[in-house]
Amino acid sequence: AQTVTQSQPEMSVQEAETVTLSCTYDTSESDYYLFWYKQPPSRQMILVIRQEAYKQQNATENRFSVNFQKAAKSFSLKISDSQLGDAAMYFCAYRSAEKLVFGQGTRLTINP
Amino acid sequence: DSGVTQTPKHLITATGQRVTLRCSPRSGDLSVYWYQQSLDQGLQFLIQYYNGEERAKGNILERFSAQQFPDLHSELNLSSLELGDSALYFCASSVGVAGFTDTQYFGPGTRLTVL
Repeated sequence: AQTVTQSQPEMSVQEAETVTLSCTYDTSESDYYLFWYKQPPSRQMILVIRQEAYKQQNATENRFSVNFQKAAKSFSLKISDSQLGDAAMYFCAYRSAEKLVFGQGTRLTINP
Repeated sequence: DSGVTQTPKHLITATGQRVTLRCSPRSGDLSVYWYQQSLDQGLQFLIQYYNGEERAKGNILERFSAQQFPDLHSELNLSSLELGDSALYFCASSVGVAGFTDTQYFGPGTRLTVL
Protein backbone atom coordinates (compact mmCIF):
# COMPACT_ATOMS: atom_id res chain seq x y z
CA ALA A 1 0.00 0.00 0.00
CA GLN A 2 1.13 3.49 -0.76
CA THR A 3 2.14 5.67 2.16
CA VAL A 4 2.93 9.35 2.38
CA THR A 5 5.12 10.83 5.09
CA GLN A 6 5.48 14.46 6.07
CA SER A 7 8.20 14.60 8.66
CA GLN A 8 7.69 18.22 9.71
CA PRO A 9 4.56 18.63 11.85
CA GLU A 10 5.16 22.39 12.07
CA MET A 11 7.21 24.96 10.19
CA SER A 12 7.50 28.71 10.47
CA VAL A 13 8.95 31.35 8.17
CA GLN A 14 9.33 35.10 8.10
CA GLU A 15 7.11 36.98 5.72
CA ALA A 16 8.77 37.39 2.28
CA GLU A 17 11.20 34.55 2.96
CA THR A 18 11.32 31.11 1.33
CA VAL A 19 10.29 27.88 3.00
CA THR A 20 10.43 24.24 1.90
CA LEU A 21 8.04 21.57 3.12
CA SER A 22 9.15 17.95 2.87
CA CYS A 23 7.25 14.90 1.70
CA THR A 24 8.30 11.34 0.97
CA TYR A 25 6.19 8.51 -0.30
CA ASP A 26 6.39 4.81 -0.81
CA THR A 27 5.06 3.07 -3.91
CA SER A 28 5.87 0.29 -6.32
CA GLU A 29 4.06 1.98 -9.18
CA SER A 30 5.93 3.74 -11.95
CA ASP A 31 3.22 6.13 -13.09
CA TYR A 32 1.33 8.29 -10.63
CA TYR A 33 0.49 11.83 -9.64
CA LEU A 34 1.49 13.81 -6.59
CA PHE A 35 -0.30 16.80 -5.13
CA TRP A 36 0.06 19.47 -2.52
CA TYR A 37 -3.16 20.70 -0.94
CA LYS A 38 -3.49 23.66 1.38
CA GLN A 39 -6.01 23.78 4.23
CA PRO A 40 -6.37 27.29 5.72
CA PRO A 41 -8.31 27.96 8.93
CA SER A 42 -11.52 27.91 6.89
CA ARG A 43 -10.84 24.13 6.51
CA GLN A 44 -11.34 24.23 2.76
CA MET A 45 -8.97 21.90 0.90
CA ILE A 46 -7.34 23.91 -1.87
CA LEU A 47 -5.20 22.39 -4.61
CA VAL A 48 -1.82 24.11 -4.69
CA ILE A 49 0.16 22.18 -7.26
CA ARG A 50 0.40 18.78 -8.92
CA GLN A 51 3.20 16.76 -10.48
CA GLU A 52 3.03 13.94 -12.98
CA ALA A 53 5.56 11.25 -12.19
CA TYR A 54 6.49 10.72 -15.83
CA LYS A 55 7.53 14.36 -16.20
CA GLN A 56 11.07 15.19 -15.20
CA GLN A 57 10.40 18.91 -15.12
CA ASN A 58 9.35 20.20 -11.73
CA ALA A 59 5.91 21.79 -11.59
CA THR A 60 5.60 25.51 -10.82
CA GLU A 61 2.57 27.64 -9.97
CA ASN A 62 3.49 31.27 -9.34
CA ARG A 63 5.29 31.36 -5.97
CA PHE A 64 4.89 27.61 -5.45
CA SER A 65 7.24 25.05 -6.93
CA VAL A 66 8.14 21.46 -6.24
CA ASN A 67 11.36 19.49 -6.14
CA PHE A 68 10.40 16.05 -7.40
CA GLN A 69 13.03 13.36 -6.97
CA LYS A 70 11.46 10.17 -8.33
CA ALA A 71 14.29 7.81 -7.45
CA ALA A 72 14.35 9.08 -3.89
CA LYS A 73 10.53 9.18 -3.76
CA SER A 74 10.67 12.72 -2.52
CA PHE A 75 8.29 15.57 -3.34
CA SER A 76 9.00 18.81 -1.52
CA LEU A 77 7.10 22.10 -1.84
CA LYS A 78 8.91 25.41 -1.98
CA ILE A 79 7.03 28.59 -1.21
CA SER A 80 8.83 31.74 -2.27
CA ASP A 81 8.12 35.26 -1.01
CA SER A 82 5.91 33.87 1.77
CA GLN A 83 2.76 35.85 2.47
CA LEU A 84 0.51 35.96 5.52
CA GLY A 85 -2.20 34.26 3.49
CA ASP A 86 0.04 31.23 3.04
CA ALA A 87 -0.48 30.28 6.68
CA ALA A 88 -2.25 26.92 6.64
CA MET A 89 -1.91 23.16 6.95
CA TYR A 90 -0.23 21.72 3.90
CA PHE A 91 -0.93 18.15 2.86
CA CYS A 92 1.09 16.10 0.45
CA ALA A 93 -0.99 13.50 -1.41
CA TYR A 94 -0.34 10.54 -3.69
CA ARG A 95 -2.87 9.55 -6.32
CA SER A 96 -3.39 5.82 -6.01
CA ALA A 97 -5.94 4.34 -8.40
CA GLU A 98 -9.12 6.25 -7.64
CA LYS A 99 -8.20 7.65 -4.22
CA LEU A 100 -5.81 10.12 -2.69
CA VAL A 101 -3.48 9.00 0.07
CA PHE A 102 -2.58 11.93 2.31
CA GLY A 103 0.32 12.64 4.59
CA GLN A 104 -0.30 13.85 8.12
CA GLY A 105 0.22 17.48 7.19
CA THR A 106 2.60 20.31 8.03
CA ARG A 107 1.30 23.38 9.82
CA LEU A 108 2.94 26.48 8.32
CA THR A 109 3.08 29.70 10.30
CA ILE A 110 4.06 32.99 8.68
CA ASN A 111 5.73 35.50 11.00
CA PRO A 112 5.17 39.16 10.06
CA ASP B 1 -14.51 28.35 -4.73
CA SER B 2 -13.95 24.83 -6.10
CA GLY B 3 -17.48 24.45 -7.48
CA VAL B 4 -18.20 21.49 -5.18
CA THR B 5 -20.99 22.17 -2.70
CA GLN B 6 -21.74 20.36 0.53
CA THR B 7 -24.65 20.67 2.92
CA PRO B 8 -25.02 21.16 5.77
CA LYS B 9 -21.89 23.01 6.91
CA HIS B 10 -22.34 21.94 10.49
CA LEU B 11 -24.29 19.11 12.07
CA ILE B 12 -24.68 18.38 15.75
CA THR B 13 -26.41 15.20 16.80
CA ALA B 14 -26.50 12.56 19.51
CA THR B 15 -25.02 9.10 19.72
CA GLY B 16 -27.15 6.44 18.08
CA GLN B 17 -28.67 8.83 15.58
CA ARG B 18 -28.53 8.79 11.79
CA VAL B 19 -27.52 11.70 9.55
CA THR B 20 -27.22 12.36 5.83
CA LEU B 21 -24.55 14.53 4.26
CA ARG B 22 -25.09 15.87 0.78
CA CYS B 23 -22.65 16.75 -1.98
CA SER B 24 -23.07 18.30 -5.42
CA PRO B 25 -20.05 17.88 -7.71
CA ARG B 26 -18.62 20.45 -10.07
CA SER B 27 -20.50 20.82 -13.32
CA GLY B 28 -19.36 18.10 -15.71
CA ASP B 29 -17.70 15.93 -13.06
CA LEU B 30 -18.86 12.33 -12.95
CA SER B 31 -16.84 11.07 -9.99
CA VAL B 32 -17.54 11.83 -6.37
CA TYR B 33 -15.29 10.90 -3.46
CA TRP B 34 -15.91 11.02 0.28
CA TYR B 35 -13.17 11.61 2.83
CA GLN B 36 -13.17 11.80 6.61
CA GLN B 37 -10.78 14.11 8.46
CA SER B 38 -10.38 13.45 12.16
CA LEU B 39 -7.69 14.51 14.60
CA ASP B 40 -6.40 11.01 15.24
CA GLN B 41 -6.81 9.43 11.79
CA GLY B 42 -5.98 12.35 9.52
CA LEU B 43 -7.57 12.42 6.08
CA GLN B 44 -9.01 9.04 5.14
CA PHE B 45 -10.65 7.99 1.91
CA LEU B 46 -14.08 6.48 2.43
CA ILE B 47 -15.68 5.71 -0.91
CA GLN B 48 -15.90 6.75 -4.56
CA TYR B 49 -18.76 6.79 -7.04
CA TYR B 50 -18.55 7.21 -10.76
CA ASN B 51 -21.66 8.05 -12.76
CA GLY B 52 -23.92 6.40 -10.21
CA GLU B 53 -21.87 3.29 -9.55
CA GLU B 54 -19.55 2.49 -6.67
CA ARG B 55 -15.95 2.36 -7.93
CA ALA B 56 -13.71 2.13 -4.91
CA LYS B 57 -13.99 1.62 -1.19
CA GLY B 58 -11.63 2.72 1.51
CA ASN B 59 -11.87 2.73 5.27
CA ILE B 60 -15.62 3.04 5.36
CA LEU B 61 -17.45 1.52 8.31
CA GLU B 62 -20.42 -0.78 7.77
CA ARG B 63 -22.57 1.79 9.59
CA PHE B 64 -21.82 4.21 6.77
CA SER B 65 -23.22 4.06 3.27
CA ALA B 66 -23.29 6.30 0.25
CA GLN B 67 -24.96 6.64 -3.09
CA GLN B 68 -24.81 8.79 -6.18
CA PHE B 69 -28.03 9.81 -7.84
CA PRO B 70 -28.86 10.24 -11.56
CA ASP B 71 -28.29 14.00 -11.28
CA LEU B 72 -24.81 13.06 -9.95
CA HIS B 73 -25.21 14.48 -6.48
CA SER B 74 -24.15 12.15 -3.72
CA GLU B 75 -25.24 11.45 -0.19
CA LEU B 76 -23.26 9.91 2.66
CA ASN B 77 -25.40 8.25 5.29
CA LEU B 78 -23.99 7.73 8.76
CA SER B 79 -26.00 5.63 11.20
CA SER B 80 -25.74 4.44 14.81
CA LEU B 81 -23.44 7.37 15.38
CA GLU B 82 -20.67 7.15 17.95
CA LEU B 83 -18.60 9.86 19.58
CA GLY B 84 -15.66 8.81 17.44
CA ASP B 85 -17.56 9.65 14.26
CA SER B 86 -17.15 13.33 15.03
CA ALA B 87 -15.06 14.66 12.17
CA LEU B 88 -14.94 16.85 9.11
CA TYR B 89 -16.40 15.04 6.11
CA PHE B 90 -15.23 16.17 2.70
CA CYS B 91 -16.66 15.48 -0.68
CA ALA B 92 -14.45 15.84 -3.73
CA SER B 93 -15.24 15.52 -7.41
CA SER B 94 -13.33 14.92 -10.60
CA VAL B 95 -14.06 14.58 -14.27
CA GLY B 96 -13.94 10.82 -14.48
CA VAL B 97 -12.48 7.59 -13.32
CA ALA B 98 -9.41 7.74 -15.59
CA GLY B 99 -7.03 7.69 -12.70
CA PHE B 100 -3.88 9.62 -12.89
CA THR B 101 -4.94 12.63 -14.89
CA ASP B 102 -7.91 13.19 -12.68
CA THR B 103 -7.47 16.01 -10.21
CA GLN B 104 -9.89 15.99 -7.31
CA TYR B 105 -11.47 19.25 -6.18
CA PHE B 106 -12.80 19.45 -2.66
CA GLY B 107 -15.95 20.91 -1.22
CA PRO B 108 -15.95 23.03 1.96
CA GLY B 109 -16.75 20.03 4.16
CA THR B 110 -19.44 19.17 6.70
CA ARG B 111 -18.41 19.30 10.34
CA LEU B 112 -20.18 16.56 12.27
CA THR B 113 -20.27 16.68 16.05
CA VAL B 114 -21.70 13.69 17.91
CA LEU B 115 -22.59 14.39 21.54
